[in-house]
Amino acid sequence: DSGVTQTPKHLITATGQRVTLRCSPRSGDLSVYWYQQSLDQGLQFLIQYYNGEERAKGNILERFSAQQFPDLHSELNLSSLELGDSALYFCASSVVEGAGNTIYFGEGSWLTVV
Amino acid sequence: GESVGLHLPTLSVQEGDNSIINCAYSNSASDYFIWYKQESGKGPQFIIDIRSNMDKRQGQRVTVLLNKTVKHLSLQIAATQPGDSAVYFCAEGSMNYGGSQGNLIFGKGTKLSVKP
Repeated sequence: DSGVTQTPKHLITATGQRVTLRCSPRSGDLSVYWYQQSLDQGLQFLIQYYNGEERAKGNILERFSAQQFPDLHSELNLSSLELGDSALYFCASSVVEGAGNTIYFGEGSWLTVV
Repeated sequence: GESVGLHLPTLSVQEGDNSIINCAYSNSASDYFIWYKQESGKGPQFIIDIRSNMDKRQGQRVTVLLNKTVKHLSLQIAATQPGDSAVYFCAEGSMNYGGSQGNLIFGKGTKLSVKP
């Protein structure tokens, strides 16, 4: 158990809908990352927050957004869902950002868009 | 749970043998490298990491080798056990990637299958 908690574990929704995925980082970790894992694209970095502020953006679609709250938990919002958004979404966390900080992953939220 | 990834390279080894999983990374600017293990239905689990100022690092039963000249990374697992069966990913990172080392670039993964 990495200490990173994600909910829900599984989610099935229809195209056009909006979902929110929730992440609680490891106790004491200030930095939160979101990754998407799909069959054709592998694991891809979406976005990072550090102590409530957005720090880096990767291949995140404009239909997706995220935020990190004062209690350091984070939410990833996916809207206008398409079939191709079906994937495993991972949250990860690290104590701080910067070189050499181990990044721990949660168990993921499996999203199926039908 | 389901596994992700199609047509992954597969390495099949006998229990007790040593395993070597290779990875070619993409960016010469990367200065931080990590190996993750992902079991079916679970998230990537950190195994070992190495900075670009090193060429070898050892952990418990695992060794990572880094060859910056040819941009190659390998993971050696000693005395492979059935519990080592999983997909192994190498990842590269750098503070130069959007200012965050968390912007890791993952390889496609190698599936390790351990025969008892």
